[in-house]
Amino acid sequence: EAQVTQNPRYLITVTGKKLTVTCSQNMNHEYMSWYRQDPGLGLRQIYYSMNVEVTDKGDVPEGYKVSRKEKRNFPLILESPSPNQTSLYFCASSLNTGYEQYFGPGTRLTVT
Amino acid sequence: AQSVTQLDSQVPVFEEAPVELRCNYSSSVSVYLFWYVQYPNQGLQLLLKYLSGSTLVKGINGFEAEFNKSQTSFHLRKPSVHISDTAEYFCAVLTGTSGSRLTFGEGTQLTVNP
Repeated sequence: EAQVTQNPRYLITVTGKKLTVTCSQNMNHEYMSWYRQDPGLGLRQIYYSMNVEVTDKGDVPEGYKVSRKEKRNFPLILESPSPNQTSLYFCASSLNTGYEQYFGPGTRLTVT
Repeated sequence: AQSVTQLDSQVPVFEEAPVELRCNYSSSVSVYLFWYVQYPNQGLQLLLKYLSGSTLVKGINGFEAEFNKSQTSFHLRKPSVHISDTAEYFCAVLTGTSGSRLTFGEGTQLTVNP
């Protein structure tokens, strides 16, 4: 089944403790992206990647890092999480730029 | 910069009534427009898209949208809603170099009451 998977689905952590949210797609898509969803703000793009080793900032990149060492994986790294990063995070992929994006199930992160 | 505005944050309707969810965008270049739906505790699912061609776009679950370039709008419609259509709906526009970024509206919560 073609899909985007994220792990973990739920995570509660404390301020300053480094964490990684994994994202993987099995559709051989070139493009991958991370979003955060907050009430009343819709989804905002954090980072995106147009290919292996090619990443760029979205609208809200502060406090996040990403890497794209393999085509299928695009992990999101929070080096020192803070409470304002409490949010629902979505990973997405598409065949290439200009195509519709397919979304993962989401990761709900709480930073205390 | 391109942006998307969804004019209603909440839309309550009764079952079998028609519904329209409004979306306006700002853009000075060609646009690719999308509507996504998010059911409770789930990810986003593509409802329909406008890339080019006919301005009336049909999607899944009986939804359709009309691209209106002069009014810079992309409103979503359904002639008769079901309880199962209760969800949050997001309008989005592809922006950035070669469509590298997807900008979302704030979302519209559609609640269908019996």
